[in-house]
Amino acid sequence: QVQLVQSGAEVKKPGASVKVSCKASGYTFTAYYLHWVRQDPGQGLEWMGWIDPNSGGTNYAQKFQGRVTMTRDMSITTAYMELSRLTSDDTAVYYCARDHLVGPTGWFDPWGQGTLVTVSS
Amino acid sequence: SSELTQDPAVSVALGQTVRITCQGDSLRTYYASWYQQKPGHAPVVVIYGKNHGPSGIPDRFSGSSSGNTASLTITGAQEEDEADYYCKSRDSTGNHHVLFGGGTKLTVL
Repeated sequence: QVQLVQSGAEVKKPGASVKVSCKASGYTFTAYYLHWVRQDPGQGLEWMGWIDPNSGGTNYAQKFQGRVTMTRDMSITTAYMELSRLTSDDTAVYYCARDHLVGPTGWFDPWGQGTLVTVSS
Repeated sequence: SSELTQDPAVSVALGQTVRITCQGDSLRTYYASWYQQKPGHAPVVVIYGKNHGPSGIPDRFSGSSSGNTASLTITGAQEEDEADYYCKSRDSTGNHHVLFGGGTKLTVL
């Protein structure tokens, strides 16, 4: 079945970087964009950006420009999201999600299980 | 503007009908999709497009759209429908970005 499996929880110190992985299976990896979404504790969903696994092209939300890098490794059908210069405000659950876009209709399905990143000194 | 607005909280009596709304200029161009999120779990799509429900989603969930407002309707709400609901759309300014509403917490009384 179509599945996205993310890497495990991380604890990082302020100023460090974190790299979260998202392993795709059950479909053609290069056929669908992958998005990253984060959720601060007790808060709503916040879109971070997307990667086109076919070309490696990316598009980031302005808030994360300069701090986020999305990459992929086609040989192992895995996408990565690296966030640098972490602060306590980056403590959140990070999700990857597969994009479906048909004309004016778009939806995310499935989602990864989420990766908790805790930033603490 | 590039925003989607949702009511923070809505309640419904067990078995009754509830409508959750999402407003934003982008909804004049793009359909919303709707996501259900229960505590400790990833979001799950319940409605996308004009009114499509993925397999496995009960048909008591339906969607509609008019002008700059999209709606998710639950007809005959059940206890298990108590959750946070988020709308999502594309930004219509041409930057290929994605927008999420702030979420609506649904309580089933």
